[in-house]
Amino acid sequence: GENVEQHPSTLSVQEGDSAVIKCTYSDSASNYFPWYKQELGKRPQLIIDIRSNVGEKKDQRIAVTLNKTAKHFSLHITETQPEDSAVYFCAASNTLAGGTSYGKLTFGQGTILTVHP
Amino acid sequence: KAGVTQTPRYLIKTRGQQVTLSCSPISGHRSVSWYQQTPGQGLQFLFEYFSETQRNKGNFPGRFSGRQFSNSRSEMNVSTLELGDSALYLCASSLRGQGGNEKLFFGSGTQLSVL
Repeated sequence: GENVEQHPSTLSVQEGDSAVIKCTYSDSASNYFPWYKQELGKRPQLIIDIRSNVGEKKDQRIAVTLNKTAKHFSLHITETQPEDSAVYFCAASNTLAGGTSYGKLTFGQGTILTVHP
Repeated sequence: KAGVTQTPRYLIKTRGQQVTLSCSPISGHRSVSWYQQTPGQGLQFLFEYFSETQRNKGNFPGRFSGRQFSNSRSEMNVSTLELGDSALYLCASSLRGQGGNEKLFFGSGTQLSVL
């Protein structure tokens, strides 16, 4: 089955700096890659996602890049703010796998991002 | 629209007991998935329901089961609780559960502690 590795496990930056979180996946058939942000005691929230037919997607200060050949994708946060502090999870899914893909995402282990004021 | 609602928010049980968790999806969403979140294993997929049928299942023992009602609300049951079942159980809903064609929206979870 799919395996997703996420690095680093913790990341500490100063306010205004950029933050980059990287994930690699094992199943070359995976074609959907969402990123979730989970603040302490709260639900995971989808912040951005990318499909395999796109190499990069941007939404204000957040961007995701995908390298299908190398099977890795990254989250980039620019001009970080203290409210960006949270746990970030990457995930992967093969949406063409039929029944075995319904409702299923394979998640990375998470990155604890701390933005210092 | 109201988000995904899970009840109860916290549960404390003892080993050997059973527990039932509830999830109400976003209105109009028919697919409900369940995930277990632990510090050691991260987020792991339990199962997915659509139109009252389990369509997909993760690698969890048979003690973990679920069901979905005609109004798309779902329940998850864990029997013969073990200490290792202590976790945050998250429910997620989507329109049809078809992976990247739809987004998964999570509830706030039920924190289960097994003593």
